[in-house]
Amino acid sequence: DIQMTQSPSSLSASVGDRVTITCRASQSIANYLSWCQQKPGRAPKLLISAASSLQGGVPSRFSGSGSGTDFTLTISSLQPEDFATYYCQQSYTTPYTFGQGTKLEIK
Amino acid sequence: EVQLVESGGGLVQPGGSLRLSCAASGFSLSSYAMSWVRQAPGKGLEWVSGISSSGGTTYYADTVKGRFTFSRDNSKTTLYLQMNSVTAEDTAVYYCARGGAWGFDYWGQGTPVTVSS
Repeated sequence: DIQMTQSPSSLSASVGDRVTITCRASQSIANYLSWCQQKPGRAPKLLISAASSLQGGVPSRFSGSGSGTDFTLTISSLQPEDFATYYCQQSYTTPYTFGQGTKLEIK
Repeated sequence: EVQLVESGGGLVQPGGSLRLSCAASGFSLSSYAMSWVRQAPGKGLEWVSGISSSGGTTYYADTVKGRFTFSRDNSKTTLYLQMNSVTAEDTAVYYCARGGAWGFDYWGQGTPVTVSS
């Protein structure tokens, strides 16, 4: 199975900060990488697919990059509604696997 | 509007069975691969099973292979996850999600499953 490793596992930041979360795959997954956001008690929400394609309705402060094994999610200027847990997920091959999550908290 | 509504969760004894349903609306179910993803209390997301748009191919995580069966009825626009021989490790919120190779673009609200005696 492909292992997805996110870092950091948790992060404290302030409104307006630029934040970067990284995700590393245990083998190449080309660009079959998605990022989703989950708030407590809510279903996950897809932010980015194909490593860098922003989903409709997602603010442009979110961006994704990378290919192969190394990927990043960047939030250019944190807003209060962005404090949540973020997951990367590979869909290159089944079993599709998620990273362990990055909990973004308010400093 | 795309909607996925899960149902069928609840309390089940270890070794028992449960069938989850996911009612899809607002899109052509027969055009999309679908998946089930679960989340144990306080834990991260775990992909459980996927099914092709036609229903002809199914995929399973090793943790559920041989115990869970994913099926779809495109005419009824409903997906099913038959869960057999459940254990405490199957306790989780189960989400139905649309998509496959390019991520899951719509998710249901989830249905909780608790395995306990």
